[in-house]
Amino acid sequence: GAGVSQTPSNKVTEKGKYVELRCDPISGHTALYWYRQSLGQGPEFLIYFQGTGAADDSGLPNDRFFAVRPEGSVSTLKIQRTERGDSAVYLCASSPEGRDTQYFGPGTRLTVL
Amino acid sequence: DQQVKQNSPSLSVQEGRISILNCDYTNSMFDYFLWYKKYPAEGPTFLISISSIKDKNEDGRFTVFLNKSAKHLSLHIVPSQPGDSAVYFCAASEGGFKTIFGAGTRLFVKA
Repeated sequence: GAGVSQTPSNKVTEKGKYVELRCDPISGHTALYWYRQSLGQGPEFLIYFQGTGAADDSGLPNDRFFAVRPEGSVSTLKIQRTERGDSAVYLCASSPEGRDTQYFGPGTRLTVL
Repeated sequence: DQQVKQNSPSLSVQEGRISILNCDYTNSMFDYFLWYKKYPAEGPTFLISISSIKDKNEDGRFTVFLNKSAKHLSLHIVPSQPGDSAVYFCAASEGGFKTIFGAGTRLFVKA
């Protein structure tokens, strides 16, 4: 079956611009996670959804970052006024319920010039 | 502060021998631990997990050991195969679903 997909695979933007990153989880998975991975580091937790609600958003670095999952399936990570330090690979993962194996997508590489 | 630490950035092992990847954690409230494997340009894939109520979990060539008193876990791969060459991430969670990852160890298995 189809795995987690993320679009775009690469995004180049200029400092100060707004970007949206999309995640399509595995069908039927109720839990969805966003992570950010910088070079040489492990994935850094950003936010976790259970259904439509953000169950834990403690990893969002500041109020420029926001994520939604309006219908409990597709999720969008939104970054306002991008900064060069936001450059990283943004990973999305889903799981059947919260405390299960997470299935990761291939990530979106964001480059802020 | 890094709650999950993988102090070896890389490890090189001969094919057929044992690979041992180590991980230390600082949060004694972590109750679920996982290992993920990552190939270039792909997302991490789940390998094996262990609950804090156990000290060992085995799945084929992969075994994870947990030493709660030392706040240490390790992943053993035996025998190692060239296809095991990848970056391995240790991860932990506390009672919920927020998962903290280590920085990863790059394993090279030489044929």
